[in-house]
Amino acid sequence: QVQLVQSGAEVKKPGSSVKVSCKASGGTFSSYSVNWVRQAPGQGLDWMGGILPIFETTKFAEKFQGRVTFTADESTSTVYMELSSLGYDDTAVYYCARGVVPANIQDAFEIWGQGTVVTVSS
Amino acid sequence: DIVMTQSSDSLAVSLGERASINCKSSQSVLKTSNNKNSLAWYQQKPGQPPKLLIYWASTRESGVPDRFSGSGSGTDFTLTISSLQAEDVAVYYCQQYYSSPITFGQGTRLEIK
Repeated sequence: QVQLVQSGAEVKKPGSSVKVSCKASGGTFSSYSVNWVRQAPGQGLDWMGGILPIFETTKFAEKFQGRVTFTADESTSTVYMELSSLGYDDTAVYYCARGVVPANIQDAFEIWGQGTVVTVSS
Repeated sequence: DIVMTQSSDSLAVSLGERASINCKSSQSVLKTSNNKNSLAWYQQKPGQPPKLLIYWASTRESGVPDRFSGSGSGTDFTLTISSLQAEDVAVYYCQQYYSSPITFGQGTRLEIK
C-alpha cells in the first residue's frame, strides 16, 4: 500500500521560503497527481495546486501563483513544494495528497501525507 | 471558481440515528465525458489528515464502512451516515474536482446529541 511521508516541522521568518518534501513508498508514484492542501489553525482545507509527474504538468491556485513551485524527483519518488515570500498567514499544516485515477490531474485525493507544520514567526 | 457550500457548520445526531450532510456547488460538477459527478467527501478527525470516504459522488472508497453513502448530481449532494457510531465524530468536507481551482466546502462538524 502506498504511503506518503512528509518532512518535519519548520519555523521560518517572514519573507523567507520553505521547502516541504513528500516521499512515496510502497507503490506507483509518477502516474498519479500529487496535490498540496494547507490548513490554517482551526480553519478548513485550502488547495494550493498539484503536479502530475509523468507528464510534468502542474496546476496552481491563483492566490499562490508566482509564489509556489512544485517539483518531482522520480528517482526517489519524492515531490517537493516550495513556498516563497512567507507571511504570518502562511502558518498552517501543509498536506500532500495523491490522486485516485492514474494520469488525472483533476482528481479526488486518496492517500494523504501526515502533514507538515510550518510556522512563520519573527 | 466553483464555490462549495455545506448547509450546516455543525450537526448533532443521536447514536444509531441517521446523519445527513448537504453540499451545494455554485455550478454543475457533472463531467459529460464519463457522466460522473466530480464530487468527493472527506472525514477529518483532530490531529489527523483528511480521509477520503466517497468519490464520483457515490463511489465508496475501499475500506470505508457501508454505513457511509453519497448521493446527488449536478449541484446538490448529500453524505449520509445510516447509523451514527461514536467513532464518526469528526469534521466532514465536500470537494469538487471538476475544474481548477479544486475547492472544498467549509466543513460540517458532526457531534453526538
